[in-house]
Amino acid sequence: DAEITQSPRHKITETGRQVTLACHQTWNHNNMFWYRQDLGHGLRLIHYSYGVHDTNKGEVSDGYSVSRSNTEDLPLTLESAASSQTSVYFCASSESNGNYNEQFFGPGTRLTVL
Amino acid sequence: DQQVKQNSPSLSVQEGRISILNCDYTNSMFDYFLWYKKYPAEGPTFLISISSIKDKNEDGRFTVFLNKSAKHLSLHIVPSQPGDSAVYFCAARKAGNQFYFGTGTSLTVIP
Repeated sequence: DAEITQSPRHKITETGRQVTLACHQTWNHNNMFWYRQDLGHGLRLIHYSYGVHDTNKGEVSDGYSVSRSNTEDLPLTLESAASSQTSVYFCASSESNGNYNEQFFGPGTRLTVL
Repeated sequence: DQQVKQNSPSLSVQEGRISILNCDYTNSMFDYFLWYKKYPAEGPTFLISISSIKDKNEDGRFTVFLNKSAKHLSLHIVPSQPGDSAVYFCAARKAGNQFYFGTGTSLTVIP
């Protein structure tokens, strides 16, 4: 069965370190997204991609970057982790066939920045 | 600036009764609305959706209503079951496949 996976599921890091969260999907979806979930804010879009080599900033992109070198993967990098980036991160993917398409979410990565 | 709002953080309902979850939005450019369900330690899963050209969509026990003039949508679950206990997120799509999510409503269905 097709799926979307995230790794690691839990990560503790220190302020100032670079961290990369992995997202891998086997749906063969062109669209991929990264969100963070925080209490009182719901899910907020960090970055998204509509295909290989395409990346776009979402509403909370500062301090984060992504790259898309193939269809399956969209890694999220925190260049210099800050305590404000402690959150639960969700990756999602969707089709891009012009229809209304829901997003399929991964299980999430809980990141703690000390 | 929260473009999609869920003003009720929590809701408790007796098993068998109707659950009504509400969502308000501010941006008239949203063309597609969805509800997601989330269990602890899992990612959100798609539940039901509605296009902005419709006012109702039904799927089994779940019905979504859209009132465009009021910029309001609601999710009705009837009858509610204990397995429905979860956090429900409302989401709205702008052109370009960007989705905006509400803060979620935690539903508890009491057996």
